[in-house]
Amino acid sequence: EVQLVQSGAEVKKPGESLNISCKASGSSLTNYWIGWVRQMPGKGLEWMGIVYPGDSETRYSPSFQGQVTISADKSLRTAYLQWSSLKASDTAMYYCVYSAGTYRYNWFDPWGQGTLVTVSS
Amino acid sequence: EIVLTQSPGTLSLSPGEGATLSCRASESVSTIYLAWYQQKPGQAPRLLIYRASSRATGIPDRFSGSGSGTDFTLTISRLEPEDFAVYYCQQFASSPSTFGGGTKVEIK
Repeated sequence: EVQLVQSGAEVKKPGESLNISCKASGSSLTNYWIGWVRQMPGKGLEWMGIVYPGDSETRYSPSFQGQVTISADKSLRTAYLQWSSLKASDTAMYYCVYSAGTYRYNWFDPWGQGTLVTVSS
Repeated sequence: EIVLTQSPGTLSLSPGEGATLSCRASESVSTIYLAWYQQKPGQAPRLLIYRASSRATGIPDRFSGSGSGTDFTLTISRLEPEDFAVYYCQQFASSPSTFGGGTKVEIK
């Protein structure tokens, strides 16, 4: 069984940088993708992008391309979501998700517990 | 990108009643690329249905998925108190993957 554990809540100021993480554990960690999903307060789910730790192939939603950087360290079984300059509109819950697959990703299962990012001056 | 439209936005029902949730895609989606998730307040979403009709591990058989092409349905045969939540459909047939806006199933 795969488990995803995300880093803790963050409170940041506009313009600051941030890196949040998602560590995968379990016995079936081969040929998988780790993705990120945003949920703004009181809103629905938005797919941001996904990375294949095996070769670091990354795919982004056009809505988030250039706004964030998704990366992974295969040896640490950890994926990252990074901002270089936060905005107040980045305030949201961010979930990492596991997706089995090699050449393409599939359904998301399981989900991490979420990392709440608050950006406020 | 493929747009998923879920209806209704809110479903008000009593425990024991059945629920039918709709997910309509802006273009045809293969069944193998359609999933449903449940999200309860304060919790992360969890996978309910994958490949449009296969229940995820541990999901009760009162949950079922069906559909093809552009029209997909999640059916809850008899609502239990723990089923009142928000439900999302998702397609990953083409990039970007997209979610529907969600259907909230609330207690009447």
